[in-house]
Amino acid sequence: SQKIEQNSEALNIQEGKTATLTCNYTNYSPAYLQWYRQDPGRGPVFLLLIRENEKEKRKERLKVTFDTTLKQSLFHITASQPADSATYLCALNSNYQLIWGAGTKLIIKP
Amino acid sequence: EPEVTQTPSHQVTQMGQEVILRCVPISNHLYFYWYRQILGQKVEFLVSFYNNEISEKSEIFDDQFSVERPDGSNFTLKIRSTKLEDSAMYFCASSETPPGGDSPLHFGNGTRLTVT
Repeated sequence: SQKIEQNSEALNIQEGKTATLTCNYTNYSPAYLQWYRQDPGRGPVFLLLIRENEKEKRKERLKVTFDTTLKQSLFHITASQPADSATYLCALNSNYQLIWGAGTKLIIKP
Repeated sequence: EPEVTQTPSHQVTQMGQEVILRCVPISNHLYFYWYRQILGQKVEFLVSFYNNEISEKSEIFDDQFSVERPDGSNFTLKIRSTKLEDSAMYFCASSETPPGGDSPLHFGNGTRLTVT
């Protein structure tokens, strides 16, 4: 069955630098891959969706890449700010369900 | 922007009691979901619901759980005979397209269920 791996260790980044988070999957490439942000005690909030035939997607300071050869998606936040501190989840479609990663906690230090 | 609303935000119940968690999905969405997140752990799928019936459910969603859309706006999760291990955040979500499709899920802010 499809499995998703996200770095379970928190990622500490200095304010102003680019944060890069990784999402790896194990089996077939999904048609869509999504990234969400979750703040403590709140529900996940959708950020970006990328399709399997798209290499890259951007939204303001956010960029997502999708490499079906490596079975990997990278999520970048440029010019990071302390307000970007949160847990970031990736999710991919599999048999009409969304399979979720455990998320990576991002900490942006002033 | 339309949002998914959940009530109550926090529910405390005694072991063995029944609870009903309530959700109002986004009005033009057709697909509804319940997820669970135990403190510090990953988001876990419970059930998806479309056209007044369950379309998918996980192993977690056993006979203790049921879902209902009692009217045109509410979507409920009932947990019968609650156990200590049911303590978690329960998130409702909705989407325009089928699960795993190309429209995102919109989540509510959850109900924190504490079973004592």
